[in-house]
Amino acid sequence: DSGVTQTPKHLITATGQRVTLRCSPRSGDLSVYWYQQSLDQGLQFLIQYYNGEERAKGNILERFSAQQFPDLHSELNLSSLELGDSALYFCASSVVSGSRTGELFFGEGSRLTVL
Amino acid sequence: GENVEQHPSTLSVQEGDSAVIKCTYSDSASNYFPWYKQELGKRPQLIIDIRSNVGEKKDQRIAVTLNKTAKHFSLHITETQPEDSAVYFCAATHNNNDMRFGAGTRLTVKP
Repeated sequence: DSGVTQTPKHLITATGQRVTLRCSPRSGDLSVYWYQQSLDQGLQFLIQYYNGEERAKGNILERFSAQQFPDLHSELNLSSLELGDSALYFCASSVVSGSRTGELFFGEGSRLTVL
Repeated sequence: GENVEQHPSTLSVQEGDSAVIKCTYSDSASNYFPWYKQELGKRPQLIIDIRSNVGEKKDQRIAVTLNKTAKHFSLHITETQPEDSAVYFCAATHNNNDMRFGAGTRLTVKP
């Protein structure tokens, strides 16, 4: 158990719909990262938050948005879903010590299937 | 932003042989280089990492080397075992910035 909790674990929805994925980081971790992993593909960086603020943005589509709340949990919102959005979405958190990045701890992922 | 390239994409070795996976990075400011192992259907987990102030780090059968001048780093697994079969990802980052991963290497260790 990494200490990072993601919900839901599985989600099946239709094209055009909107879903929200939730992530609770490890206690004390201020940085939260979102990654997309399509079938047999790599880890595509979507977005990073640090202590409530957006820190870095990767290849995140305009249909996707995210935020980190004051209690440090994060949500990834995916709208106008397309078949190609089907993937495993990972959240990861890390502690940052004096601006040094530490180990990323990954959640179990949320598997999204768009039909 | 940082760009990490990883080779090979697949690697098959006999049990007991060594395996080497190589990565290059583009941002000379990167100073933290972790390696993650992802078993089938599971989350990625850190197996070893190295910071730019050292050139090599070992942990039992696993070692990582870093060449800052050439901007490349490698993972070395010795005496491979079937349980080493997985997808391995390298990554690079600096100072709490986004962590970019390589495309992954699928390692198969044949008994």
